[in-house]
Amino acid sequence: AQKVTQAQTEISVVEKEDVTLDCVYETRDTTYYLFWYKQPPSGELVFLIRRNSFDEQNEISGRYSWNFQKSTSSFNFTITASQVVDSAVYFCALSEADVGSQGNLIFGKGTKLSVKP
Amino acid sequence: GAGVSQSPSNKVTEKGKDVELRCDPISGHTALYWYRQSLGQGLEFLIYFQGNSAPDKSGLPSDRFSAERTGGSVSTLTIQRTQQEDSAVYLCASSLEIIVSTEAFFGQGTRLTVV
Repeated sequence: AQKVTQAQTEISVVEKEDVTLDCVYETRDTTYYLFWYKQPPSGELVFLIRRNSFDEQNEISGRYSWNFQKSTSSFNFTITASQVVDSAVYFCALSEADVGSQGNLIFGKGTKLSVKP
Repeated sequence: GAGVSQSPSNKVTEKGKDVELRCDPISGHTALYWYRQSLGQGLEFLIYFQGNSAPDKSGLPSDRFSAERTGGSVSTLTIQRTQQEDSAVYLCASSLEIIVSTEAFFGQGTRLTVV
């Protein structure tokens, strides 16, 4: 069965702290895609990153970085030097490559991040 | 359009009434998706369209739910005989191709409240 677990329901940090959001996934497929989305208070989901299962290279984009570890089925997201504008709910998601599953993003429950000044 | 547009942004309806939720995807996007976000269930996939075709409708919660897409553009999600458990935010997304190939862009959602 496919499943995405975000064990941290809420995290609160003070501005400039680093914070890591955990994501653990389960899938039977060898080919799959992992995503992170940000949902600010306005409601729309904002795409942050897509990673395919064959690419375990870590990625850095500004203050954001992602650590993909197939051995532990984890795809963790770190925000360095957090800012108040980072406050949002962050969702990790999984999509399998099988025809018929490709339209289906399986989301975790989300982690609500609050960054206080 | 510049982004995915959903209407109405908020809808309050009485139990038992039918509602229609509209999604206007980004121009040129062939794939369109509907999700439901509720407190108890998180983000739940409902259905996706490739062009006007929905290959798999098994994600729709019940036969009271239906969706269609015409002209490869606008999609309508219809809920008949609404129930209180249908209260949720309904999110629509679109992408150039199916989701594993390209980024999906989400609309701001329709907040449905059934009273």
